[in-house]
Amino acid sequence: EVQLVESGGGLVQPGESLRLSCAASGFTFGSFSMNWVRQAPGKGLEWISYIDRSATNIQYADSVKGRFTISRDNARNSVFLQMNSLRAEDTALYYCVRDHDWGFDFWGQGTLVTDSS
Amino acid sequence: QSALTQPPSVSGSPGQSVTISCTGTSSDVGGYNHVSWYQQPPGTTPKLIIYEVYNRPSGVPDRFSGSKSGNTASLTISGLQPEDEADYYCNSYIPSSFFVFGSGTKVTVL
Repeated sequence: EVQLVESGGGLVQPGESLRLSCAASGFTFGSFSMNWVRQAPGKGLEWISYIDRSATNIQYADSVKGRFTISRDNARNSVFLQMNSLRAEDTALYYCVRDHDWGFDFWGQGTLVTDSS
Repeated sequence: QSALTQPPSVSGSPGQSVTISCTGTSSDVGGYNHVSWYQQPPGTTPKLIIYEVYNRPSGVPDRFSGSKSGNTASLTISGLQPEDEADYYCNSYIPSSFFVFGSGTKVTVL
């Protein structure tokens, strides 16, 4: 069974940093590209970052470019999102999402990042 | 990159068909077949229901179908069921910013 389990969310002040982790299981992690997608409370979905199987193609949405960094460790079946210079508008539920045939086919339950100010 | 344009809401009675549009440009929806659709019932995680414009993942009922004409992709739910009440989002590949979601459509079953 495919499982994606996010962790690392929490309360943060503007300007602070946070590192999200996603532990994958139930599939050959190194064979799939991965993404982070977020959803602000009561709002729609926003794609924020992509990393291919070998971490050679990395992409970011304009809203996080220069502040967030995606990475992966295929030996540990994990993908990460380093979030720096956090803003109030980064408050959201952050989903770890598997990419297959140009569809986001498996989603984690999400980890919540909240502005504490 | 602005979100793809979807109607805020659509509604229908059980058994009816509803269609949700997803309008972009020739740089995204119109230029590539990398359009997917997601269903998100209240309080749940999004679920992939259509990928590459019209393909259904295993387990998705065949009452869900996708299509595309020009810069507009569409999701049709035929034979609407009460459990289809949810938010629906389209997504497209776009070279300039990689992926973009639609604004979302709330489907109400009357």
